[in-house]
Amino acid sequence: EPEVTQTPSHQVTQMGQEVILRCVPISNHLYFYWYRQILGQKVEFLVSFYNNEISEKSEIFDDQFSVERPDGSNFTLKIRSTKLEDSAMYFCASTSVGRETQYFGPGTRLLVL
Amino acid sequence: GENVEQHPSTLSVQEGDSAVIKCTYSDSASNYFPWYKQELGKGPQLIIDIRSNVGEKKDQRIAVTLNKTAKHFSLHITETQPEDSAVYFCAARGPAGTALIFGKGTTLSVSS
Repeated sequence: EPEVTQTPSHQVTQMGQEVILRCVPISNHLYFYWYRQILGQKVEFLVSFYNNEISEKSEIFDDQFSVERPDGSNFTLKIRSTKLEDSAMYFCASTSVGRETQYFGPGTRLLVL
Repeated sequence: GENVEQHPSTLSVQEGDSAVIKCTYSDSASNYFPWYKQELGKGPQLIIDIRSNVGEKKDQRIAVTLNKTAKHFSLHITETQPEDSAVYFCAARGPAGTALIFGKGTTLSVSS
């Protein structure tokens, strides 16, 4: 069964550094999402992406965040100048056109020291 | 914007018992309500979903009910098994966007 994959599974970085989280959505899906989950809290929407542009974003997704689909398979989330409060599990998800089910990847656990 | 409240935060049942988790939402225009199961160290996995034009949906031991008037929906798991132990999240999606707004989650523990 096709699945969303994410790399790395864990990332430790120093405050102020830039990180790039990578996702490979399911191959025929065209809607992509990033969510984050701070330890012990709910999953929070960050951004959705369709047709090479952001279609929706939350208040959390400020100027330090950016997303990109650099090629036909990868979808990335970049966090410039990380802060301690960016420590969380980051999930990528994807959906096919005309369907509602969002399929989530296993997540990247980001720790900012 | 949409807000989803979920109760209880923890639920412990004996194997074979039923478990019910309830969620309320604030935006009456929301039209899609999925339930996700999250096992330790993994991403959320969809277990069942319901659309606003349907009042109830069942899939084997799992069922979801939706009351649009009261703006609440519930997950029902019958004949619980130890492998049902996980964190369960409800979510809602509005008609204008695709973002899922999640509840805070329910940790279900099924003891044998």
